[in-house]
Amino acid sequence: GAVVSQHPSWVICKSGTSVKIECRSLDFQATTMFWYRQFPKQSLMLMATSNEGSKATYEQGVEKDKFLINHASLTLSTLTVTSAHPEDSSFYICSALFDGANVLTFGAGSRLTVL
Amino acid sequence: AQSVTQLDSQVPVFEEAPVELRCNYSSSVSVYLFWYVQYPNQGLQLLLKYLSGSTLVKGINGFEAEFNKSQTSFHLRKPSVHISDTAEYFCAVEGSSNTGKLIFGQGTTLQVKP
Repeated sequence: GAVVSQHPSWVICKSGTSVKIECRSLDFQATTMFWYRQFPKQSLMLMATSNEGSKATYEQGVEKDKFLINHASLTLSTLTVTSAHPEDSSFYICSALFDGANVLTFGAGSRLTVL
Repeated sequence: AQSVTQLDSQVPVFEEAPVELRCNYSSSVSVYLFWYVQYPNQGLQLLLKYLSGSTLVKGINGFEAEFNKSQTSFHLRKPSVHISDTAEYFCAVEGSSNTGKLIFGQGTTLQVKP
């Protein structure tokens, strides 16, 4: 079955540093991936749509320069939280759309804690 | 714009009792509807989805949902819950353009008590 891997699953960093989270489709190609953010006990909020070979499409209110998305290959999208601050602490989840099939698979999520 | 409303933030229920988690959506176009389950500190697992055809959709773990177009609802049901069903449940909608872009409801915490 389609599997999406996120790495790291947990990360703790100091305020002001940058953190990169990877989202990989392990056994399928995904032209399109999505990044969500989830605060404790809340729903998933779509941050951006990641498109292989082109710029990501950000949702309203999401800072492009703060959350850098790179989708350089058909199996990998990365989210970089730049100059992280404590308010960026959250659970980040990606999903990948299986090319050629109506299959959307979610990763297990990455918990970011900014001290 | 599409939106999803889950009417109950928490649903406590005793083990082996039936449960219904409510979901209403708003959309001016045809939609695809989904229910996902999330266990603590984990990603989302698809329970079931409605794309077209029969309005009664059966999913994994004994769950089912019924699409009601006139009431714009997609309630999730299970006739007999287990302790292991305790989790967060999310209803989601996707426009029929099949983009993979989902809009989620607020979530419902199902608490199954012994």
